[in-house]
Amino acid sequence: ETGVTQTPRHLVMGMTNKKSLKCEQHLGHNAMYWYKQSAKKPLELMFVYSLEERVENNSVPSRFSPECPNSSHLFLHLHTLQPEDSALYLCASSQARGGRYEQYFGPGTRLTVT
Amino acid sequence: QKEVEQDPGPLSVPEGAIVSLNCTYSNSAFQYFMWYRQYSRKGPELLMYTYSSGNKEDGRFTAQVDKSSKYISLFIRDSQPSDSATYLCAMSVGNTGGFKTIFGAGTRLFVKA
Repeated sequence: ETGVTQTPRHLVMGMTNKKSLKCEQHLGHNAMYWYKQSAKKPLELMFVYSLEERVENNSVPSRFSPECPNSSHLFLHLHTLQPEDSALYLCASSQARGGRYEQYFGPGTRLTVT
Repeated sequence: QKEVEQDPGPLSVPEGAIVSLNCTYSNSAFQYFMWYRQYSRKGPELLMYTYSSGNKEDGRFTAQVDKSSKYISLFIRDSQPSDSATYLCAMSVGNTGGFKTIFGAGTRLFVKA
């Protein structure tokens, strides 16, 4: 079991719904990430929060909105999604400065948009 | 050209075989190299972490980095059916604080009993 937890593990939502994904890390890290994983594609970095400052990937549509209230919690708010947004959404954490940079991942939320 | 290239496989081997998984990259600034294992319907799990060139061994796993060739490898000795998973290589530039971590698309490995 990793030190990064995600809820829910599975989510089915219609295109007009609003939902949120939650991530919590218990590793004392100061950077958190959201990734999208689609079949046979590399992990796609969506957002990074380091020391509570947001670093964005400009290609992420505005229907995805991150929130990081503190260094241990990260949310991804979803609204008016499209079927092509169906994927595994992974949260990760790492140390942002002065050390090892490897990321530790949560189990992911399997999202299906109908 | 992609920053990181990884053969997606699938790679199928008999139990007990030595497995070689590889990635090539184009950015000579990468300094940190990682291998992750991802089982079906789970998140990636860190297997090996290497800084700069050289070899690192951990049990049945050996990670190798050749910065001159921009080539990294993961070797699995005495492979087991439980090693069946997707293996992702990843690399990052240290002075960006880990933000610029680029992942390969993953190689799917099947170890047959």
